[in-house]
Amino acid sequence: DGGITQSPKYLFRKEGQNVTLSCEQNLNHDAMYWYRQDPGQGLRLIYYSQIVNDFQKGDIAEGYSVSREKKESFPLTVTSAQKNPTAFYLCASSRWEGGNTEAFFGQGTRLTVV
Amino acid sequence: GENVEQHPSTLSVQEGDSAVIKCTYSDSASNYFPWYKQELGKRPQLIIDIRSNVGEKKDQRIAVTLNKTAKHFSLHITETQPEDSAVYFCAASMIKAAGNKLTFGGGTRVLVKP
Repeated sequence: DGGITQSPKYLFRKEGQNVTLSCEQNLNHDAMYWYRQDPGQGLRLIYYSQIVNDFQKGDIAEGYSVSREKKESFPLTVTSAQKNPTAFYLCASSRWEGGNTEAFFGQGTRLTVV
Repeated sequence: GENVEQHPSTLSVQEGDSAVIKCTYSDSASNYFPWYKQELGKRPQLIIDIRSNVGEKKDQRIAVTLNKTAKHFSLHITETQPEDSAVYFCAASMIKAAGNKLTFGGGTRVLVKP
């Protein structure tokens, strides 16, 4: 379904713990992104990667880390430094080919700090 | 960086009426403007997009218009139906190879009343 898979769907974290959200795509897309969605707000970019072994900070990178060791995978770690981690996290991927640059989203992971 | 403002934040329309959502962007270098629809609990999905070399694009009941001079673009939904009820996001980006970093507006929650 859509070729981009996030897991888990729901995640609960205790304060002070790091957690890692998984994002895998089989669309052969070069670029991958992590967005955070809070109620009543738009999607805010956390990190993005245009190529393997390279990534850039987005608008709200503090308290988050990523890696891009494989083209298919772009995991996001929410560290204990993130002050307000409870949110809905969306991963996306896109490829520039023949003018088609649509971004495809995963189903999202809802993270709750307990 | 790019900043996208979206209005209104909520929109209630009677079934069969039209709905209009407006967005403004700040970066004149942006040249790609997609619209995403997010139904409750689901991933955002692209419904229509427009590039800066086009002023208007239509796909059945939805249309998007772009005014580059004023840096604003709008989504028009005609003959609204209950299944149009969702949150709609506009976005802006500058397309480049192997990447399409989208900046999203805050979203508009559309409710179509039968």
